[in-house]
Amino acid sequence: SAVISQKPSRDICQRGTSLTIQCQVDSQVTMMFWYRQQPGQSLTLIATANQGSEATYESGFVIDKFPISRPNLTFSTLTVSNMSPEDSSIYLCSVEDRQVLFFGSGTQLSVL
Amino acid sequence: SQQGEEDPQALSIQEGENATMNCSYKTSINNLQWYRQNSGRGLVHLILIRSNEREKHSGRLRVTLDTSKKSSSLLITASRAADTASYFCATASPYNFNKFYFGSGTKLNVKP
Repeated sequence: SAVISQKPSRDICQRGTSLTIQCQVDSQVTMMFWYRQQPGQSLTLIATANQGSEATYESGFVIDKFPISRPNLTFSTLTVSNMSPEDSSIYLCSVEDRQVLFFGSGTQLSVL
Repeated sequence: SQQGEEDPQALSIQEGENATMNCSYKTSINNLQWYRQNSGRGLVHLILIRSNEREKHSGRLRVTLDTSKKSSSLLITASRAADTASYFCATASPYNFNKFYFGSGTKLNVKP
């Protein structure tokens, strides 16, 4: 199993600003996944981050709004850009190991 | 969309009772998994059942899978207050093992 450290755990931000969320894994992994969970909702995959290549975004998510970095096999960042109140959600990073997903503790973002 | 639905959306029971949650999905799957989420934080993997399996047990958890009906159920026996959480089913595409789709979730409240 993988241990994932995610930070910040929560933040309150002003609209129009950006927040970068960091995710550190205790082992090397090929793919890292970023999910969004809107209040009271299920998880929606934002993008898959591969080391050494651009992230693959799901329908409805674009790189300009959610730029992702993946500088090495243990680390990734997700930036939520030009935030609006609609971006208030929990953001989760995860990795897959033998077809099971392991998650960070999540970042609870509130945009005022 | 491959995302499934879960019912009930919310379930409230007394400690010691059994809790049953159901999940339906739409397309072919490689496996189906159940996750637990406490207080809107990171998800924890509970159990995985493969598409060629019909039933699986793990401690107080029992999962069934009916691929003909595209449905699964999670039974928690002898529930405890600590089982209070949201429970999500997740399916993995047989065409892309790294792509997971989450159900809408069941919020379980176990009263002491």
